[in-house]
Amino acid sequence: KNEVEQSPQNLTAQEGEFITINCSYSVGISALHWLQQHPGGGIVSLFMLSSGKKKHGRLIATINIQEKHSSLHITASHPRDSAVYICAVTGNQFYFGTGTSLTVIP
Amino acid sequence: DAGVTQSPTHLIKTRGQHVTLRCSPISGHKSVSWYQQVLGQGPQFIFQYYEKEERGRGNFPDRFSARQFPNYSSELNVNALLLGDSALYLCASSPGDRLAGYEQYFGPGTRLTVT
Repeated sequence: KNEVEQSPQNLTAQEGEFITINCSYSVGISALHWLQQHPGGGIVSLFMLSSGKKKHGRLIATINIQEKHSSLHITASHPRDSAVYICAVTGNQFYFGTGTSLTVIP
Repeated sequence: DAGVTQSPTHLIKTRGQHVTLRCSPISGHKSVSWYQQVLGQGPQFIFQYYEKEERGRGNFPDRFSARQFPNYSSELNVNALLLGDSALYLCASSPGDRLAGYEQYFGPGTRLTVT
């Protein structure tokens, strides 16, 4: 059983659509991270949050500590948003989800 | 400022051989952590080092070891390579002494292929 579960595994959207990626975790955490990974491997940290909501441009991340659930939203999606989005949590170590592969079609 | 750098970019080794991967953190960052990402899966935590001391270890066999140098750069060593060690090895640095509570800055990774 994975400590971090993401859904969906794959997602295809039309440009301009509102996108939601979900993350559930089963361990006690200090923080939750949303990461973006492009083909070739490089990982960029999008958000680190331990409560509430954060917004950066068209990206919004929320977390519900009681329900052990987080969502990443992308508003007005664009083809350059195509990437793998990974949810990760830090407690006594770093646990990662398997990622959501997003393709945005023009 | 330079980001996290890793070397080499790609590496091909034979089963049973030994490999050393290198990571240089962002200037000012004292923590380095290592991750293994098998194709199609999320990364898995291997080690975290802070100020040359091991601060965390994931569920990897003793064939995996690491160290951190006085300049905060780090090496990951893998002995007796297996086919299953083929993966992208990622390094990340952060300013804090714990994984929790600090944003991690990832390097581009080293892609290891074991044949």
